[in-house]
Amino acid sequence: EAGVAQSPRYKIIEKRQSVAFWCNPISGHATLYWYQQILGQGPKLLIQFQNNGVVDDSQLPKDRFSAERLKGVDSTLKIQPAKLEDSAVYLCASSLVGGSGYEQYFGPGTRLTVT
Amino acid sequence: KQEVTQIPAALSVPEGENLVLNCSFTDSAIYNLQWFRQDPGKGLTSLLLIQSSQREQTSGRLNASLDKSSGRSTLYIAASQPGDSATYLCAAYSSASKIIFGSGTRLSIRP
Repeated sequence: EAGVAQSPRYKIIEKRQSVAFWCNPISGHATLYWYQQILGQGPKLLIQFQNNGVVDDSQLPKDRFSAERLKGVDSTLKIQPAKLEDSAVYLCASSLVGGSGYEQYFGPGTRLTVT
Repeated sequence: KQEVTQIPAALSVPEGENLVLNCSFTDSAIYNLQWFRQDPGKGLTSLLLIQSSQREQTSGRLNASLDKSSGRSTLYIAASQPGDSATYLCAAYSSASKIIFGSGTRLSIRP
């Protein structure tokens, strides 16, 4: 079974530029999550999708971050414009069913450096 | 608001020792507790998931316990090996279906 795929693996941009990350979840997984992990901290949930609908985006900085999940499969997370404090690893995860009780599977992450 | 704490932030032990990693959470109304491993530059690998009705889970040299009443979970690693060196994260599934992660314990096993 193929795991969660993410690209790119690394990205370096200057502040005020825009950037997009892509995630392909495990086949058949209805729920998709985007997390932000700042160095030395645990991952923080940015947004959760159930199929192509948003379940939770309460911690997504909506003035600069946006995410979509077209057709309930792949997802894209965008930052525009980027700030220095956005430097982090962005992790995508998926699970069979959302909420509690079902294991999340994580991708390798995208390491973003904003200079 | 659920908070998850892992102490210590870093731990170094000689190879072969048995060790315990600690995780505490403030809201006992959790559904599950999950332990992950994270290698440098990599994503998260799930180690063990304990459902709220369970007290412990075992996989190979790993054993995780859950005590909801005291707000604690432990990850026991038997006969540690250099390959166990990584950051270990615990995550609490709250009743609101959100997952809150601790900051992790960075484990180093000395040969």
